[in-house]
Amino acid sequence: KAGVTQTPRYLIKTRGQQVTLSCSPISGHRSVSWYQQTPGQGLQFLFEYFSETQRNKGNFPGRFSGRQFSNSRSEMNVSTLELGDSALYLCASSDRTSSYEQYFGPGTRLTVT
Amino acid sequence: TQLLEQSPQFLSIQEGENLTVYCNSSSVFSSLQWYRQEPGEGPVLLVTVVTGGEVKKLKRLTFQFGDARKDSSLHITAAQTGDTGLYLCAGAGGTSYGKLTFGQGTILTVHP
Repeated sequence: KAGVTQTPRYLIKTRGQQVTLSCSPISGHRSVSWYQQTPGQGLQFLFEYFSETQRNKGNFPGRFSGRQFSNSRSEMNVSTLELGDSALYLCASSDRTSSYEQYFGPGTRLTVT
Repeated sequence: TQLLEQSPQFLSIQEGENLTVYCNSSSVFSSLQWYRQEPGEGPVLLVTVVTGGEVKKLKRLTFQFGDARKDSSLHITAAQTGDTGLYLCAGAGGTSYGKLTFGQGTILTVHP
C-alpha cells in the first residue's frame, strides 16, 4: 500500500505571497491532519479534515487554511506569508480507529525569504 | 490543554550502551505513540500503546505505557549507530481523533 505523499517537497517563497501544499493520504484513510514543525516549537497541530469537513483546529492564525476533496486528498494554504512561517509542514493520514494512529508523509520544506 | 514533557532533550552515547527516554504528562491519554524522524523526513511510527501498564517490544526497543496512562518510556538496549535520530512521543485522546500532542523530542546520537 502506498504511503502518504506530499507535494512539493521544497518551496521557496517571498514574504507576502501565498502558498498551497498538497497531501494524498494512504488509500482508504479519510482523515488528514496537518502539522507545522520548527526547531523552536517542535511539532504543532494545525487542523484535521475528515469527510471533507474540518473537525479539529489548532491555535494558528486565520492565514492558515485547508480543505479536503471527495477523494480524501487535502490541501493547505497559507496566505500573506511571514518569515516565521518557514518550517517543515507535515501531513498525516489516519483511518480514525480507536488507537488514534497517524502515518506521516515526508513533508514540505517551506522557506520564506 | 494537554502537554507532554519529553526528556532528555539530547542524548549522546557510545554504541552498545543502553538508554531510556521519558515522556510525562499531567493529562490522561487514550493512546500514546512513539515516532522516529530522520532529518528532512516525516516521523515514522514505531509503536502505539493504548492500555495502562502495557509493554511492547520491537527488537531492541521496549515501550511502556504508565498504569495511569499519563506517562511512557522508550528503552533501547545495546544501541547501534543506526538508532541515531529524533525520537518523538505523541499522545491522543477524547474526541480529538485527528490531533496528536507531541513532546519536544529527544535527539539521540550513537557514536561508533
